[in-house]
Formats: sequence, structure tokens, C-alpha cells
Amino acid sequence: DGGITQSPKYLFRKEGQNVTLSCEQNLNHDAMYWYRQDPGQGLRLIYYSQIVNDFQKGDIAEGYSVSREKKESFPLTVTSAQKNPTAFYLCASSPQGTPPFFGQGTRLTVV
Amino acid sequence: AQSVTQLGSHVSVSEGALVLLRCNYSSSVPPYLFWYVQYPNQGLQLLLKYTTGATLVKGINGFEAEFKKSETSFHLTKPSAHMSDAAEYFCAVSGGWGTGGGADGLTFGKGTHLIIQP
Repeated sequence: DGGITQSPKYLFRKEGQNVTLSCEQNLNHDAMYWYRQDPGQGLRLIYYSQIVNDFQKGDIAEGYSVSREKKESFPLTVTSAQKNPTAFYLCASSPQGTPPFFGQGTRLTVV
Repeated sequence: AQSVTQLGSHVSVSEGALVLLRCNYSSSVPPYLFWYVQYPNQGLQLLLKYTTGATLVKGINGFEAEFKKSETSFHLTKPSAHMSDAAEYFCAVSGGWGTGGGADGLTFGKGTHLIIQP
């Protein structure tokens, strides 16, 4: 089945640790995105990539890093520099001229 | 720069009543506008989109929205609410399509939680 797979669904991290969230798509989409969702805040753009080996910062990129070495993969690393990482993280991808499709999300909790 | 304002963090309607969720936007370029729906602990699903052409757009599940440039609005409506419509709804704006053809990073409103009363 074609789609966007985010893993894991739930993730726990100790303070001061880096953690990587996985996002894979088999839809052959060029563009991919990472959003952060907090209650009452809507979705805020962290990073996006329009093509392989290229990505741009979104509105809240500080404390996060990404890579886009393959078309189908866009992993997000939450670094120890991110002061408040507990949130729901959504990955999305977009075909030509069409708004993004979203994955099911990863809920990250710092313990 | 672009932004989206959704009026009302919570909207409650009776089953069978009209649903109206308000969205106003600002954009320095002709906007592309979208409505998404989110059920608890799920990703977002596209309801409808406006890019160019007809200003009244129809989406899935009986929803529709009208682009009004003079009012910078893109309100979402449904004539008759159903219990299954209870969810979080997000309005979003984009400045167009990027170099890879995908949407330039969307800017979302803060969402409106739709409550359906029996």
C-alpha cells in the first residue's frame, strides 16, 4: 500500500538526549515536510525539502536537524538544544501541484 | 509573509444544523488555501483546496468553502452536521508550489474543535 509511514508512534526521550524520528514515503513525492503540533497552537513548520539533497528551515527550526539523502526518506533529529521537545510531530509529503498528505504522527515525550 | 486566523477555538452545533468554521488569511501573493480535518491522535486529511478558478470549492464529506478575496476569507461550511463530523479542523495557506512542485510550506491556523451535540 502506498503511503507515509512515521515510526515509532510513541517515543520517550531523556533530557539531554538526541532522538531521530523516521518518515518514509513510497508515493514518489518530491516534497516532504516536518511539522510540530502543540495543543491550541496548530501546526508549525520545522523543515521542508522540495528535492533530494536540499532542504529549508521553517518557522521553528532551532534545535532540530534533517537530512534528505533519498527521495523516500526525510528523518528528523530532535537535538538536546531543543528546550521543549514534548509534542506531536507530523511528517507530510506533496506531489506536483497538490497539497501535502500527512502521516499518522509520532508523539514524543521527554521524561 | 503569510498568516491564518481561525475564529473560535471551539464551535458547538446541534446534529443536523449548519456548520460554519471561519478562516481569514493574509498573504503577500495570491494564496492557495486549504482545509484539513484531524481526528484524535491521527494525521491530517485534506477536506478541500482552492488554488485558482472557481471560488466556491466542494470537498469531501459534504463540506464546501468559498474564497472571498475582498474579505480575505475562506470559511468552511456544511449544511447539516453529523456526529461523525466532530473533529479538529485546520485552515492553511500557501504561497504556491516550490521548486520540486510540492506546496511551499503551509502556514496553519490554530485549529477549531467542532463539537456536535445530539
